[in-house]
Amino acid sequence: GAVVSQHPSWVICKSGTSVKIECRSLDFQATTMFWYRQFPKQSLMLMATSNEGSKATYEQGVEKDKFLINHASLTLSTLTVTSAHPEDSSFYICSARTGTGLEKLFFGSGTQLSVL
Amino acid sequence: GDSVTQMEGPVTLSEEAFLTINCTYTATGYPSLFWYVQYPGEGLQLLLKATKADDKGSNKGFEATYRKETTSFHLEKGSVQVSDSAVYFCALSDIFNNNDMRFGAGTRLTVKP
Repeated sequence: GAVVSQHPSWVICKSGTSVKIECRSLDFQATTMFWYRQFPKQSLMLMATSNEGSKATYEQGVEKDKFLINHASLTLSTLTVTSAHPEDSSFYICSARTGTGLEKLFFGSGTQLSVL
Repeated sequence: GDSVTQMEGPVTLSEEAFLTINCTYTATGYPSLFWYVQYPGEGLQLLLKATKADDKGSNKGFEATYRKETTSFHLEKGSVQVSDSAVYFCALSDIFNNNDMRFGAGTRLTVKP
């Protein structure tokens, strides 16, 4: 089946630094990738949708200048958390869509970010 | 807006026990419903789905029936195995919401031998 690789799986950083998370589709081309965030005991929430070669579409309440998304190729999307603060500590997960069907959605294994 | 509420975990069962993880939803349209499973160190994987009322999704011994009257999609398995230990996410997708996937908070299941 389709594989989505997400790195790193966990990261600890100091407040004020920036952190980049990569999401790669290993054996397929993904025209659309999604980024989610999950706080403890809460739902996995969609942050943004990114399409290759165009600007990401952010969900309401998500700061686009803080969460920079780059979808430079059909196999790679990156999420950069700029000037991270402790409240940004969360579980971030990406997914990639191979087609238009709802079942054609494949997920990375997630990144646990802890900001000290 | 659309939302999914699922049973809070963690859930711990002995091998061969019966499993139920409750999931209810709120949607403005006629959503498709899904259960995803995340095994340790892996990404979420689609476990089963149902696209309309009274449909039953099934896979790997797991089942869930789309109940429109109770807005529910409870996950069941008659006899769990240690290998079923994972986090289970209930989700919905609605064409009236741009087909965005809405997830529950996930339920961690641990099966002990």
